[in-house]
Amino acid sequence: GDSVTQMEGPVTLSEEACLTINCTYTATGYPSLFWYVQYPGEGLQLLLKATKADDKGSNKGFEATYRKETTSFHLEKGSVQVSDSAVYFCALSGSGYSTLTFGKGTMLLVSP
Amino acid sequence: DGGITQSPKYLFRKEGQNVTLSCEQNLNHDAMYWYRQDPGQGLRLIYYSQIVNDFQKGDIAEGYSVSREKKESFPLTVTSAQKNPTAFYLCASSIRGRDDNEQFFGPGTRLTVL
Repeated sequence: GDSVTQMEGPVTLSEEACLTINCTYTATGYPSLFWYVQYPGEGLQLLLKATKADDKGSNKGFEATYRKETTSFHLEKGSVQVSDSAVYFCALSGSGYSTLTFGKGTMLLVSP
Repeated sequence: DGGITQSPKYLFRKEGQNVTLSCEQNLNHDAMYWYRQDPGQGLRLIYYSQIVNDFQKGDIAEGYSVSREKKESFPLTVTSAQKNPTAFYLCASSIRGRDDNEQFFGPGTRLTVL
């Protein structure tokens, strides 16, 4: 079945540092890929998405590129802020499927 | 504003009692979902529904039940058969048939069973 593996946290960074959160997936066909963000005590918000190979999703300074050859969708940001502290989830939607498969989440803590 | 509402935000129940969590959406989405979130476990799918009066079990349906009598509403009942019901519950919805299946989430309900 489909699966998503993302790096374990917490990831602890100082403000303005570079961020990379690794995400790899296993799926048949051509899945769509997502990054969701969850702030403390809240639901999930879509951060960015990519629907086909080589697509780059971007939003709020975050980027991720759909790499089919390495089955990866790593999340990157050049300069993090304290307000980026949250849990980040990588997810996929398989071809023809109606559900999402989530990774376990990576907590990001950014200190001033 | 369109969105998904879940109520209440915090819910406390005694062991052995059934409890129903509310989920309402005004996005005109056909599909709705219930997830359970535990620390370090990510999100696990409990039930989902693609149209009114139809729903399917997810990965961890045991001890839960749902109904879908209206397009806007998808309540989840946590029954006394659920062995460990204390968790954060998230409801989501999506446009049925959309290729990427982007889902929109509510704010969640934290259930604590005492």
